[in-house]
Amino acid sequence: DAMVIQNPRYQVTQFGKPVTLSCSQTLNHNVMYWYQQKSSQAPKLLFHYYDKDFNNEADTPDNFQSRRPNTSFCFLDIRSPGLGDAAMYLCATSRDLGQGVQPQHFGDGTRLSIL
Amino acid sequence: DQQVKQNSPSLSVQEGRISILNCDYTNSMFDYFLWYKKYPAEGPTFLISISSIKDKNEDGRFTVFLNKSAKHLSLHIVPSQPGDSAVYFCAASDSGGSNYKLTFGKGTLLTVNP
Repeated sequence: DAMVIQNPRYQVTQFGKPVTLSCSQTLNHNVMYWYQQKSSQAPKLLFHYYDKDFNNEADTPDNFQSRRPNTSFCFLDIRSPGLGDAAMYLCATSRDLGQGVQPQHFGDGTRLSIL
Repeated sequence: DQQVKQNSPSLSVQEGRISILNCDYTNSMFDYFLWYKKYPAEGPTFLISISSIKDKNEDGRFTVFLNKSAKHLSLHIVPSQPGDSAVYFCAASDSGGSNYKLTFGKGTLLTVNP
């Protein structure tokens, strides 16, 4: 089955220690997204890639970076995690056809804990 | 400021009855709406959507109603089943802008009791 896979499912890191979360997709979708979701909150879009073009949300802290080396993979890098960055991180993909809205397909998320 | 609001954090219904989940939005540019369902330890999965040119869309037990003048939509599940117990997220998009970006509500936890 075509899918969106996030690794690892659970990640524990130390305060200030860089961490990378990964996402891969077999859907061949041209758009990939990273969301941060805290408990009982709406998923918050951090940034997205439209093909190779990176699009940052205005309120995403500089501490968060992303890489998309090819269509299938996208990485979320947190350079110096703080306690407030503990959250579920969701990767999603969609196919933009130039018109209309296509549903996003989500991975199962990575839960990040900061010690 | 939240542009998509789900004001009920939780809802509990009996199996076989109707579940009605509500969503309000403030951005008048939103013209496409989606519902996602999320089980614990899984990512959200797409359930049903509606364009603003319609006021109703139906898919099996799931129906979404849109009231543009009130900026309100609702998801009806009939009949409700225990397997429907999940968090339901409402999401909205402006197809005239970045039509692939979604704004989510905080979700409503639905519990269907046997």
